[in-house]
Amino acid sequence: QKEVEQDPGPLSVPEGAIVSLNCTYSNSAFQYFMWYRQYSRKGPELLMYTYSSGNKEDGRFTAQVDKSSKYISLFIRDSQPSDSATYLCAMEETSYDKVIFGPGTSLSVIP
Amino acid sequence: GAVVSQHPSWVICKSGTSVKIECRSLDFQATTMFWYRQFPKQSLMLMATSNEGSKATYEQGVEKDKFLINHASLTLSTLTVTSAHPEDSSFYICSALGGSTRRETQYFGPGTRLLVL
Repeated sequence: QKEVEQDPGPLSVPEGAIVSLNCTYSNSAFQYFMWYRQYSRKGPELLMYTYSSGNKEDGRFTAQVDKSSKYISLFIRDSQPSDSATYLCAMEETSYDKVIFGPGTSLSVIP
Repeated sequence: GAVVSQHPSWVICKSGTSVKIECRSLDFQATTMFWYRQFPKQSLMLMATSNEGSKATYEQGVEKDKFLINHASLTLSTLTVTSAHPEDSSFYICSALGGSTRRETQYFGPGTRLLVL
């Protein structure tokens, strides 16, 4: 079993739709959870950062962490064509600097 | 926001040659930089952690003698792929940690695409 699993997609939605992206993980020691957005042929950029369980909202983006289920989600409201990218979940143990990335989900928002 | 640059953005080389990739933090000092490799439609795989003034820490399975890392200053880390082969063709991405061990301050470069013929 991989440490972090993510549905690779591709996921295609119409503009304005609510998008749900998810990751599951196996390491219960993970404490920090991140979502990155990566446009084609570019480096990842940090979207959301969450510590432990709970929700965090930033504009159209909401990150949820459920440590009991080892499951994290990213919701995108009112999706825009500019949201078309690959979304990578990532996580880190409390005392570690090593970040483990999921394989990424490719999202296309159709105008 | 903080900017990390990489040079070159892409490189094509012949098998057996060596290629150097630079990673620079442009407006902050980075004591720690990371080097990742990403194959098409796959996630980033950490290759090594580079600390200024000390030897890099390599992940299991990454050949130290093949992927030479030098972090000579607080703003520059280099990755040299020695005796490159076609299987080394990949997207190499660096990131720099800005002043904190919290992930919030890890900034990624734009990546370098390497094609070995």
